[in-house]
Amino acid sequence: SAVISQKPSRDICQRGTSLTIQCQVDSQVTMMFWYRQQPGQSLTLIATANQGSEATYESGFVIDKFPISRPNLTFSTLTVSNMSPEDSSIYLCSVARLAGVYNEQFFGPGTRLTVL
Amino acid sequence: GQNIDQPTEMTATEGAIVQINCTYQTSGFNGLFWYQQHAGEAPTFLSYNVLDGLEEKGRFSSFLSRSKGYSYLLLKELQMKDSASYLCAVLESNYQLIWGAGTKLIIKP
Repeated sequence: SAVISQKPSRDICQRGTSLTIQCQVDSQVTMMFWYRQQPGQSLTLIATANQGSEATYESGFVIDKFPISRPNLTFSTLTVSNMSPEDSSIYLCSVARLAGVYNEQFFGPGTRLTVL
Repeated sequence: GQNIDQPTEMTATEGAIVQINCTYQTSGFNGLFWYQQHAGEAPTFLSYNVLDGLEEKGRFSSFLSRSKGYSYLLLKELQMKDSASYLCAVLESNYQLIWGAGTKLIIKP
């Protein structure tokens, strides 16, 4: 398995500010993803973090609001910009090793964000 | 279109067996995952099926039928700690994961 850490684990932020969440993996992985999970809801994919190039965003998510970096194979950041209370959620980093018949995907512990 | 269906909630008794079903319609197929998620925690990986048949792992087993677009997660000898949400997710041909809404499993003594 992969050991994934996220910082911060939780934060309370003011409306209009920005927060950057870090994701660190203990080994090189094929793909890194950022998800959001609002209370009582299933996971929603925000974007796929691509090493050395712009992230691939899902419908409803844009780079200006959720800029993502992935400078190498073990680290990524997600910034939640110009926050509003609707951004209150758990943000999850996920990593995958994809190798045909043996695919694995693991999740970090999550960052619980509350926007006042 | 893409669609994954699983029951919203199930209730079972401690020590019993429960089967959680998942049906899917997706753009291509590269395997199906089951995850367990306790309230307030991140999902944890349970199983991955890409070939038809049953994969057994201790008290948990997962079954896949690609022709039917169907999978189930079987939990045996239920324990109170098995109370959690169980998420079904399909890996599409482009390696995007499509998630079901999850099944909340309630275990009663």
